Amino acid sequence: EPEVTQTPSHQVTQMGQEVILRCVPISNHLYFYWYRQILGQKVEFLVSFYNNEISEKSEIFDDQFSVERPDGSNFTLKIRSTKLEDSAMYFCASSEGWVGSTEAFFGQGTRLTVV
Amino acid sequence: GENVEQHPSTLSVQEGDSAVIKCTYSDSASNYFPWYKQELGKRPQLIIDIRSNVGEKKDQRIAVTLNKTAKHFSLHITETQPEDSAVYFCAASSYNFNKFYFGSGTKLNVKP
Repeated sequence: EPEVTQTPSHQVTQMGQEVILRCVPISNHLYFYWYRQILGQKVEFLVSFYNNEISEKSEIFDDQFSVERPDGSNFTLKIRSTKLEDSAMYFCASSEGWVGSTEAFFGQGTRLTVV
Repeated sequence: GENVEQHPSTLSVQEGDSAVIKCTYSDSASNYFPWYKQELGKRPQLIIDIRSNVGEKKDQRIAVTLNKTAKHFSLHITETQPEDSAVYFCAASSYNFNKFYFGSGTKLNVKP
């Protein structure tokens, strides 16, 4: 069964450093998402991406965050200057269509620890 | 925006017993409600979903019920087995927004 793949599984970074979280969505999917879960809190929507552009972003997704689909297969989330409060599990997801009409598949997550 | 609340946060049952997890939502426009299961160290996986034009849906030992008037939906697992032990997330979305609002998760422990 096709899977969404995320790398790395765990990333430790110094505060102020840039990090790039990588995702390989399922190949025929058109919609891509990033969610995050701070320890003990709900999974929160960050951003959705369609047709090579951001279709929606949450208020969490400020100028420190960016997404890119650099080569037609990878989907990346960049945090330019990490803060302690960026420590969380980051989930990538993809779907063929809107999430209400088709199943959304999630990756296994990247645990980001900012020290 | 939408707010999804989920209870309980932890649930411990004996193997063979039933488990019920409940969620409420606030936005009457929400019309799609999936349930995801996340085993330790693994990805969240869809186990069942329901749309607002249906009141109940069943798939073997799992079922989901939806009460649109009260804005709540529930996951029912019958004849629980140790492999049902996991964290379960409810979520809501609608055709108005292409994203999920998640509940806070329920850690289910099935004791053999």
